[in-house]
Amino acid sequence: EPEVTQTPSHQVTQMGQEVILRCVPISNHLYFYWYRQILGQKVEFLVSFYNNEISEKSEIFDDQFSVERPDGSNFTLKIRSTKLEDSAMYFCASRSESTDTQYFGPGTRLTVL
Amino acid sequence: GEDVEQSLFLSVREGDSSVINCTYTDSSSTYLYWYKQEPGAGLQLLTYIFSNMDMKQDQRLTVLLNKKDKHLSLRIADTQTGDSAIYFCAEILGGGFKTIFGAGTRLFVKA
Repeated sequence: EPEVTQTPSHQVTQMGQEVILRCVPISNHLYFYWYRQILGQKVEFLVSFYNNEISEKSEIFDDQFSVERPDGSNFTLKIRSTKLEDSAMYFCASRSESTDTQYFGPGTRLTVL
Repeated sequence: GEDVEQSLFLSVREGDSSVINCTYTDSSSTYLYWYKQEPGAGLQLLTYIFSNMDMKQDQRLTVLLNKKDKHLSLRIADTQTGDSAIYFCAEILGGGFKTIFGAGTRLFVKA
């Protein structure tokens, strides 16, 4: 069964460094999402992406964040200058045009030191 | 506002039924979901229900939807120790542009 994959599974970085989290959505899906979950807290929506542009973003998704679909298979989340409070699990999700159901990847745990 | 509420903990004995409850706020949600998260793992889609349904059964899982009260429940029959996890209730908003999650209910299953 096709699934969303994410790399790396765990990323450790120093405060102020740039990180890029990578996702490979399910191949025929056209809608892509990023969510984050700070340890012990709710899963929070960050951004949705369709047709090569952002459809919606939350207040968390400030100028430090950007998303890109650099080729036909990858979907990336970049954090330009990481802060301690960016430490969280980041989930990518995708869905097809025929359903609202979003399928989630296994997540990337980001630790900012 | 957008909010999904769940109780935080539930403890049951192996073999008993578990019922996890959720309330949501957006009456325009077309789908409501239950996700399962095991420790250190991602979000596994367990089941979902379309908003014009009252009930959906899927093996040991039964989802009940009371649209008038905006109440969703997940019943797990014959709960096993492998069902120990956090269960998230979620609704889709904005024409499918984002999912709003509850805080999650941590299910403990005692052997």
